[in-house]
Amino acid sequence: NAGVTQTPKFQVLKTGQSMTLQCAQDMNHEYMSWYRQDPGMGLRLIHYSVGAGITDQGEVPNGYNVSRSTTEDFPLRLLSAAPSQTSVYFCASSRRTSGYQETQYFGPGTRLLVL
Amino acid sequence: GQSLEQPSEVTAVEGAIVQINCTYQTSGFYGLSWYQQHDGGAPTFLSYNALDGLEETGRFSSFLSRSDSYGYLLLQELQMKDSASYFCAVKDNQGGKLIFGQGTELSVKP
Repeated sequence: NAGVTQTPKFQVLKTGQSMTLQCAQDMNHEYMSWYRQDPGMGLRLIHYSVGAGITDQGEVPNGYNVSRSTTEDFPLRLLSAAPSQTSVYFCASSRRTSGYQETQYFGPGTRLLVL
Repeated sequence: GQSLEQPSEVTAVEGAIVQINCTYQTSGFYGLSWYQQHDGGAPTFLSYNALDGLEETGRFSSFLSRSDSYGYLLLQELQMKDSASYFCAVKDNQGGKLIFGQGTELSVKP
């Protein structure tokens, strides 16, 4: 199993450009999520999905879109990049068990720099 | 909504014991978990408390008190490789999203 994979590993964008961060998992996990990590801010939830066709907003959703057409993939789209979106982005997945928490498996991250 | 508070930094010496506290405010949750992140790496799961009390996993233990909205991670026999950031997290029972604290950076000195 590859686990959770993310591409690209590193990206530089100019203000106003759009791009898609890719995330895929091969563990048949129902729950997938995107976090951004900034110094001193911890991990902040952007969007999450509890299954194919279902997405919901997290703590900081503005400027980002997601879709979940398959169980395996959960891409994150930046519509018009801004310097404030410079961050490290992590994708995570887990089995969705009703009630109790399950282990989140994180991808290696995408480092995004917006100029 | 949910909010979690942890100390931003903790320093300890090799071989010592250190406790990292986490207090939370949430309208309802399924439990408290802990993750470790080494510099530049992905967070990895350490432990989870669904019920009050102590959970032990090798050198690491985690504690939860729901009545006090409080938990902690206890690291024993500290090693240099334990230098990392540690995050507490709660999963809410309204939609199931997982929310993290801001993290505690642990520095282990020789």
